[in-house]
Formats: sequence, structure tokens, C-alpha cells
Amino acid sequence: GAGVSQSPSNKVTEKGKDVELRCDPISGHTALYWYRQSLGQGLEFLIYFQGNSAPDKSGLPSDRFSAERTGGSVSTLTIQRTQQEDSAVYLCASSLSSGTETQYFGPGTRLLVL
Amino acid sequence: AQSVAQPEDQVNVAEGNPLTVKCTYSVSGNPYLFWYVQYPNRGLQFLLKYITGDNLVKGSYGFEAEFNKSQTSFHLKKPSALVSDSALYFCAVRGSARQLTFGSGTQLTVLP
Repeated sequence: GAGVSQSPSNKVTEKGKDVELRCDPISGHTALYWYRQSLGQGLEFLIYFQGNSAPDKSGLPSDRFSAERTGGSVSTLTIQRTQQEDSAVYLCASSLSSGTETQYFGPGTRLLVL
Repeated sequence: AQSVAQPEDQVNVAEGNPLTVKCTYSVSGNPYLFWYVQYPNRGLQFLLKYITGDNLVKGSYGFEAEFNKSQTSFHLKKPSALVSDSALYFCAVRGSARQLTFGSGTQLTVLP
């Protein structure tokens, strides 16, 4: 079956612009996660959605970052007023639930802020 | 707080030889441990996980990992390495928090 998909695969933007990154989880998966992978910081958790519960935003690095999940499926990560330090690969993952289920990752969106 | 250490940035092994990629963890409560592999310009691919039960876990592509509670380790192993195993390997732990905490990654190079 189809895996987690993310778009765009690459995004180049100018400092100060807003960007939106999209994630389509595996059908039927109720839990959705965003992570960031950068050279300096490794793999970092950003935000987590589980069903209709309030998201866990504890990993968001600043208030310029936000995310939403519509209809319990597709999620959008928005970065406002991008900075050069936001350059990274943004990875989305989904799982059947938030328990011990395996998280399956998408291919990521590579963001470059000039 | 939960954390993972992968003490080796780079592991080189000859094709056909056994390989080990090391991982130690720290977590409150029962640990849920995972190994993922990342090929260049790709996302993370799940290899195996330990939740409970047998300490030796078998996963994809002939990989296995041994959970050692006393040493808080979860080393990844394979009896006979292939050139195609060359990739970046990440160990991850999940404790009471829902998200995964990852190690810094180990670049495995299998030499022909």
C-alpha cells in the first residue's frame, strides 16, 4: 500500500518568507509526527497529533512554527518569516496509534532558506 | 527525559564479515527501542523494534538487535554484511513520551 507522502520534495525560499510543507499519512493511521533533521541538531521532534486530541507542540523551536491536521488526515507544517537556521529536512511520520506502534516515515521535504 | 547514544559516527566492515552498530539508551519506565536506516536523500526506513519479550529481535534484511536491560543497550547486528547495507543507521527510544528520541546516527560502510 501507499506510504507516507510529503510535498514538496524540495523547497528553496528567501529569508523572511513563509513556507508550507504538506504530509499525507498512511491511510488509517491516527497518529502523525513531524521531525526535523539538520546537520547541527540531528533528528528532532517537532509536533505530534493523535486523533482529535490537542497536539503536543512541545518540540516546536519557536512561535514561527505551527502545524495543523485537517480531518484527522493531511497535515501542514507552516514556518513563518523563515530564517537561515530553518534550513533542514522536515520529516513526517505516521503510526496506527500512539502506543508501541511503529512510526513510518515519509521521504521528507528539504528546505533551503537563502 | 529520554536519550540515545550512538558512540560511533562511522563503522567500516568488510563484505561478508559480521557487523555491529552500537546503541545505548536512557529512559524512564519501560523502553521501546527502534532501529531505522536512511539511504542518501531518502526518509527513514524501519528495520526492527523491541517492545517486550525475547531480548533478541529479528528484523528486515537479515538484521537483528539484542536488548540488554542491565547495560541499557540495543546493539544492531548482522552476521554477514553486504555492500548494499552501507547507509546511515539511527537508534531511537520511546518511553513515556509519545515521540521518538533519536541517536546521532552511525554511518556504516561495507567495503567490497
